[in-house]
Amino acid sequence: NAGVTQTPKFQVLKTGQSMTLQCAQDMNHNSMYWYRQDPGMGLRLIYYSASEGTTDKGEVPNGYNVSRLNKREFSLRLESAAPSQTSVYFCASRGGGGTQYFGPGTRLTVL
Amino acid sequence: RKEVEQDPGPFNVPEGATVAFNCTYSNSASQSFFWYRQDCRKEPKLLMSVYSSGNEDGRFTAQLNRASQYISLLIRDSKLSDSATYLCVVNPFGNEKLTFGTGTRLTIIP
Repeated sequence: NAGVTQTPKFQVLKTGQSMTLQCAQDMNHNSMYWYRQDPGMGLRLIYYSASEGTTDKGEVPNGYNVSRLNKREFSLRLESAAPSQTSVYFCASRGGGGTQYFGPGTRLTVL
Repeated sequence: RKEVEQDPGPFNVPEGATVAFNCTYSNSASQSFFWYRQDCRKEPKLLMSVYSSGNEDGRFTAQLNRASQYISLLIRDSKLSDSATYLCVVNPFGNEKLTFGTGTRLTIIP
C-alpha cells in the first residue's frame, strides 16, 4: 500500500516549456487534489476532482490543466511554464471523515 | 480576513516544556477541523482531528471553541522530534475543499 505517489520528485523547466505532473493513489478514494505551496502562502488549491470524470477549479487554477484519468490517477499539466509557477506541488486524496493524504511532492523550478 | 489564521511563530521551546497554538477560522459553518504536521521539505501529514468535545492523543490535546471560532493544539512534555510546522485545517460542511492555515513553526531546543 503505497498511499499517494507523485512523479517526478524534482523538475527544472525553462520558461515556455510544458510538463505533466503525475499522481496516483491506491486507497480507492474518490476525491483527489492538486495544491501548490509557496513560502508564507501556505497550501493553495489548484484543482480538485470529487470523483472520476469530474474536475473543478480551486483557488489558483490559471496556467494549469488537470485530467482525472481514472479513479487512481490525477495529473496536472503546465502548458507554458512561467517563473511564477516555481513552487512545491502536492497531490492529495481524501478518505473518510475528510482526512486528506498527501504525496511526497514535486519541487518545480521554472527559469 | 483570512479564512484560517495562525501565528507563524517561530516558537522556540525547551525540551520537556508545554506549548500551545491557537488558530482562528472565519466561516462559522465549518464542521470539520484538523491539525496537520509538516516536517521540513516533506508532505503534510494528519496529526489529529479536532472534535467538538475536545480530544487527546498521547501528549497532544486538541480543542474546539465554536463560539469564538478557534481551535487549539496543546503539546505536553515536548520532544525534539516535535519540531515541525503545524497546520490548522478547516473543512466547511459539504465542501470538498479543505482550507489550510499557513502554519506555525515549532522548534524544540535541547
